Amino acid sequence: EVVLTQSPGTLSLSPGERATLSCRASQSVSKSRLAWYQQKPGQAPRLLIYGASYRATAIPDRFSGSESGTDFTLTISRLEPEDFAVYYCQQYGGSPLTFGGGTKVEIK
Amino acid sequence: QVQLVESGGGVVQPGRSLRLSCAASEFTFSNYAMYWVRQAPGKGLEWVAVISFDGTNKYYADSVRGRFTISRDNSKNTLYLQMNSLRTDDTAVYYCARDIDYGDHLEGYFDYWGQGSQVTVSS
Repeated sequence: EVVLTQSPGTLSLSPGERATLSCRASQSVSKSRLAWYQQKPGQAPRLLIYGASYRATAIPDRFSGSESGTDFTLTISRLEPEDFAVYYCQQYGGSPLTFGGGTKVEIK
Repeated sequence: QVQLVESGGGVVQPGRSLRLSCAASEFTFSNYAMYWVRQAPGKGLEWVAVISFDGTNKYYADSVRGRFTISRDNSKNTLYLQMNSLRTDDTAVYYCARDIDYGDHLEGYFDYWGQGSQVTVSS
């Protein structure tokens, strides 16, 4: 099973700042099959990124994803008020599908 | 607009059963693999089960295998999760979700989610 470790647990930033979220896999993720989701309180997750770096439909270009080996990064270039939420990474390259523990981006 | 609407959640005692439903609309349900994903209170997301577009292939997380059964009725555009021998650690919001791809390929990530159904297992 691929274990995904997200860091930090909480990120305290101000609107307009850059957010850098990390997701480290315990082993190689097949074919860059890693997705990122955003979840706001009381809502279902929303797909942001798939294939480690491809934005999903209608996702603003301030969201970007990258990878380096088993390390994956979600970057939000300039935080908008609506971006304060919890972010999860998920790998779909192996079975079982697994999620990271999440990073909460909160207003400083 | 694609819609997934879960129902059937509630409070149940340990050892009892519950069946969740997920009604799909505004897309060709029979073309897509479907999933159940759960989220325990204050916790992260956990994949529970997947069923292929035609119902022939089903896979489960180790934590629920042998107790939960995923099924679908494509004539009714509905996904189900039969949960037996429920335990307190099954307490969670249960989401149904659609695979990003259609056909017989299980891509494994999700473009549409329902709003979730709360299941509470407590004596």
